[in-house]
Amino acid sequence: AQSVTQLGSHVSVSEGALVLLRCNYSSSVPPYLFWYVQYPNQGLQLLLKYTSAATLVKGINGFEAEFKKSETSFHLTKPSAHMSDAAEYFCAVSEGTGGFKTIFGAGTRLFVKA
Amino acid sequence: GAVVSQHPSWVICKSGTSVKIECRSLDFQATTMFWYRQFPKQSLMLMATSNEGSKATYEQGVEKDKFLINHASLTLSTLTVTSAHPEDSSFYICSAGKQVNEQFFGPGTRLTVL
Repeated sequence: AQSVTQLGSHVSVSEGALVLLRCNYSSSVPPYLFWYVQYPNQGLQLLLKYTSAATLVKGINGFEAEFKKSETSFHLTKPSAHMSDAAEYFCAVSEGTGGFKTIFGAGTRLFVKA
Repeated sequence: GAVVSQHPSWVICKSGTSVKIECRSLDFQATTMFWYRQFPKQSLMLMATSNEGSKATYEQGVEKDKFLINHASLTLSTLTVTSAHPEDSSFYICSAGKQVNEQFFGPGTRLTVL
């Protein structure tokens, strides 16, 4: 069975500081991994996805994530936080065998301080 | 692009009534659509997978007779909450699958049952 663990329900950074949101996954098959962002009362927006190509994945808004199989991790980073990055972030895993079914982590709320 | 819409964006109803939520893929055909439920400050929980022309597949613990799903065409899936009660109040989000392991999310529907 697949699962996703996001370490830290809340992360607070200062504007301009590094953003690091942690995600570990469990999957019995090669996974597809995703990071989504959700603003209040809105749906999810895809930031980036890993689909077994390059292990370092670049996404929108300056975010990137690195797939590390040995650590079963897919942490999300951004070199310099902006106030507009404050939101809820979800890591998700999907079967790599062609299925769409996606399992979401509990989410991490990012706060950005001025 | 790949746009998914939901209607209505919010609905308030009395206990005991039924509510229908529509999910449409506006610019692509989706053989598979998903329905999620999200409680405040929590992650998305998959309720069911909807395949065009066939019965939906419900996740464990989701009452199929209470949450009726119909996927009438390649661009429309509907979720009907029958005999809604206050505990059904939640944020309902749909997604549509475009390619293998690529989902696009609707903006969500806020349901409040009085």
